[in-house]
Amino acid sequence: AQSVTQLDSHVSVSEGTPVLLRCNYSSSYSPSLFWYVQHPNKGLQLLLKYTSAATLVKGINGFEAEFKKSETSFHLTKPSAHMSDAAEYFCVVSDAGNNRKLIWGLGTSLAVNP
Amino acid sequence: DGGITQSPKYLFRKEGQNVTLSCEQNLNHDAMYWYRQDPGQGLRLIYYSQIVNDFQKGDIAEGYSVSREKKESFPLTVTSAQKNPTAFYLCASKAQGSPLHFGNGTRLTVT
Repeated sequence: AQSVTQLDSHVSVSEGTPVLLRCNYSSSYSPSLFWYVQHPNKGLQLLLKYTSAATLVKGINGFEAEFKKSETSFHLTKPSAHMSDAAEYFCVVSDAGNNRKLIWGLGTSLAVNP
Repeated sequence: DGGITQSPKYLFRKEGQNVTLSCEQNLNHDAMYWYRQDPGQGLRLIYYSQIVNDFQKGDIAEGYSVSREKKESFPLTVTSAQKNPTAFYLCASKAQGSPLHFGNGTRLTVT
């Protein structure tokens, strides 16, 4: 069975410092992995996705994530946080190409302090 | 601009009333989805439709109904049978092989 665990429910960083949001998954198949961002009272926006191509995936707004099969991890990083990055972030795993089987993490709330 | 429009943004209803949430997309996507989001939880799938005139129950379909008479539209009705309807509702659509695109959500409050 597939599952996804976001290891931190809240992360707080200072503006200009690195961001690390952690995600571990379990999957019986070759998974597709996604990170979505949600700003308050808004829909979700895709940040990046991994679908068995390059293990280091670059996304929008300077975010990137590295797929590490040996660690079953897909952590989201950004070198320098911006105030506008404050939002909720969701890690998602699915069977490749089958969005019916999307499994959502519970989310990590990122706060960026001036 | 192409996108998904959910309306209204905020909706208030009395307990016992049915209410319909609108979702319209002009992305020409075949598949559409309804999710429910509660505080501190991930998204839970209510219903989805992969083609016009066809839809399937998701993980928490009880107390909800949908229709898919047009490709562009996938309205969700929250019925009086839904025991805990207050939540943030998200509509999404997708094309084959592409990730989900989301609307901006409708926050439903039932008192």
